Amino acid sequence: DADVTQTPRNRITKTGKRIMLECSQTKGHDRMYWYRQDPGLGLRLIYYSFDVKDINKGEISDGYSVSRQAQAKFSLSLESAIPNQTALYFCATSDPLESEQYFGPGTRLTVT
Amino acid sequence: QKEVEQNSGPLSVPEGAIASLNCTYSDRGSQSFFWYRQYSGKSPELIMFIYSNGDKEDGRFTAQLNKASQYVSLLIRDSQPSDSATYLCAGAFNDYKLSFGAGTTVTVRA
Repeated sequence: DADVTQTPRNRITKTGKRIMLECSQTKGHDRMYWYRQDPGLGLRLIYYSFDVKDINKGEISDGYSVSRQAQAKFSLSLESAIPNQTALYFCATSDPLESEQYFGPGTRLTVT
Repeated sequence: QKEVEQNSGPLSVPEGAIASLNCTYSDRGSQSFFWYRQYSGKSPELIMFIYSNGDKEDGRFTAQLNKASQYVSLLIRDSQPSDSATYLCAGAFNDYKLSFGAGTTVTVRA
């Protein structure tokens, strides 16, 4: 089984709908991250969490919220989806003593 | 200004040639750098990391770091069609968060 899983893998939703993307990890890492990827822009950090009680905004947090339900679970919500949130979303994890991040398979989100 | 900038692509090289990818960064306090490979529609996977000035070799890949010039590079020797992918440069700055460049797409022509 994969160390970092994301659900759903693909989602099409309409403008104004609330949507949640979920991430689970079995690596035992304290740190978890949510990124979005758009063509030509690389990976941009939305939110990150260094432990269950520590959640921080990244560079593009507007329009998003997160919940860290447990060490292994980190969810990203779009409260009211808009078309420019159409992107590929990645969850990642890391160990506090290392900088390397391990990525999930991604969720392709389309907002129509 | 982004913390990490990658030279513009795409880069096309013939099979067997050397592919050279470059990355510059703006924060002299950066600690370590990573090169991730990403196939189309897939997640990034780590291929190299480097902490110290100089070269680091791993098989056909060589990462180079020059902290004085704030410059990181990746060389892919004997390029193969399977190396065709987007390569992301990332730097670890405060609190070990990674800042990613926009990526360079490499195509290896058979």
